[in-house]
Amino acid sequence: SQQGEEDPQALSIQEGENATMNCSYKTSINNLQWYRQNSGRGLVHLILIRSNEREKHSGRLRVTLDTSKKSSSLLITASRAADTASYFCATDKGGSEKLVFGKGTKLTVNP
Amino acid sequence: ETGVTQSPTHLIKTRGQQVTLRCSSQSGHNTVSWYQQALGQGPQFIFQYYREEENGRGNFPPRFSGLQFPNYSSELNVNALELDDSALYLCASSLGVAETQYFGPGTRLLVL
Repeated sequence: SQQGEEDPQALSIQEGENATMNCSYKTSINNLQWYRQNSGRGLVHLILIRSNEREKHSGRLRVTLDTSKKSSSLLITASRAADTASYFCATDKGGSEKLVFGKGTKLTVNP
Repeated sequence: ETGVTQSPTHLIKTRGQQVTLRCSSQSGHNTVSWYQQALGQGPQFIFQYYREEENGRGNFPPRFSGLQFPNYSSELNVNALELDDSALYLCASSLGVAETQYFGPGTRLLVL
């Protein structure tokens, strides 16, 4: 089952622009995580935000979490061509199902 | 580089065969989780092993089985392969069951 749903499915921007990706989920969570995946290879953990947090920053990344709306957003500022990848949100409900991923947003940053 | 390694990188099998995929966890990590990622989809949780015991399982049939060894490396076995088993298989290790998971590069399995 897929809990998270990323939006948009695909995003194409120019280098230097900001990229915003959204994630909606269905049930209560312990935390929400964002991952990046290049060309169908392994996932790279970007950031984890706990259910009692509203915003978190890591370098050019900013993640927000709104538990009342069951949604999260990932903002990448001043994008670079190297940011081209698929981005997934994953929710941790704390049960036996562990991380539940969405289908991802495919980001293309054009030089 | 996460320090999680998987072998082999690619594999081609035929329907009905059996396959074993391997994962070496990052040093100090005692938990390994396995995921299946079909083309164009997000990863789906198969199961997790913590200190050699299964600790949670997703919606996968019993022909998907696993093992974790005393050094915390792990195997995923799939019996009676079906065409739909074609996917990227990812393992992830973590310091504990609720800790951040670090993924390996994956094994791409093609079932013909």
